[in-house]
Amino acid sequence: QKEVEQDPGPLSVPEGAIVSLNCTYSNSAFQYFMWYRQYSRKGPELLMYTYSSGNKEDGRFTAQVDKSSKYISLFIRDSQPSDSATYLCAMSGTEHQGGSEKLVFGKGTKLTVNP
Amino acid sequence: GAVVSQHPSRVICKSGTSVKIECRSLDFQATTMFWYRQFPKQSLMLMATSNEGSKATYEQGVEKDKFLINHASLTLSTLTVTSAHPEDSSFYICSARRGLNILSYEQYFGPGTRLTVT
Repeated sequence: QKEVEQDPGPLSVPEGAIVSLNCTYSNSAFQYFMWYRQYSRKGPELLMYTYSSGNKEDGRFTAQVDKSSKYISLFIRDSQPSDSATYLCAMSGTEHQGGSEKLVFGKGTKLTVNP
Repeated sequence: GAVVSQHPSRVICKSGTSVKIECRSLDFQATTMFWYRQFPKQSLMLMATSNEGSKATYEQGVEKDKFLINHASLTLSTLTVTSAHPEDSSFYICSARRGLNILSYEQYFGPGTRLTVT
């Protein structure tokens, strides 16, 4: 079983729709949960991060973490064509190795928002 | 702030040759840089972690003699793919972190380098 599972999609929605993106994970040591947005042939850009369980909202984006179910979600409200990208979840634990903490990524979900 | 650049953005090379990819932090000093590889429809896979002035730490399964990493300054890390083969064709992305004991999400990614080996 992979440490992080993410449905690669693709996911196609009409403009204005609510988008739900999800990841599951198996490593209970993960404490930090991130969502990145990656446009085609570009590097990932951090959208949101959450520590431990709970919700976090930033504008049209809401991140949810349910550690009991090992399940995280990203919701996008009022989706726009500019939201079309690949969304990657990433996680890390509190293990310190030489002062660094490694990120473990999901495969990414490709989202297309149609005008 | 926190801009990371990579050069070149795309490179095509012949099998058996070596290719060097540069990663630069433009407006901050990066004590730690990471190198990732991303195959189509696959997740980013960490290849190695490099700290300025010390040897890189490679992830399991990554050949350190094939993927040479040099982190010579606080703003520059290089990845050299030696004796490249078609199976090394991939998207290579670096990221940089400002300091030690920084939380994992506080790393900034470069735009990536598309390597094609013919």
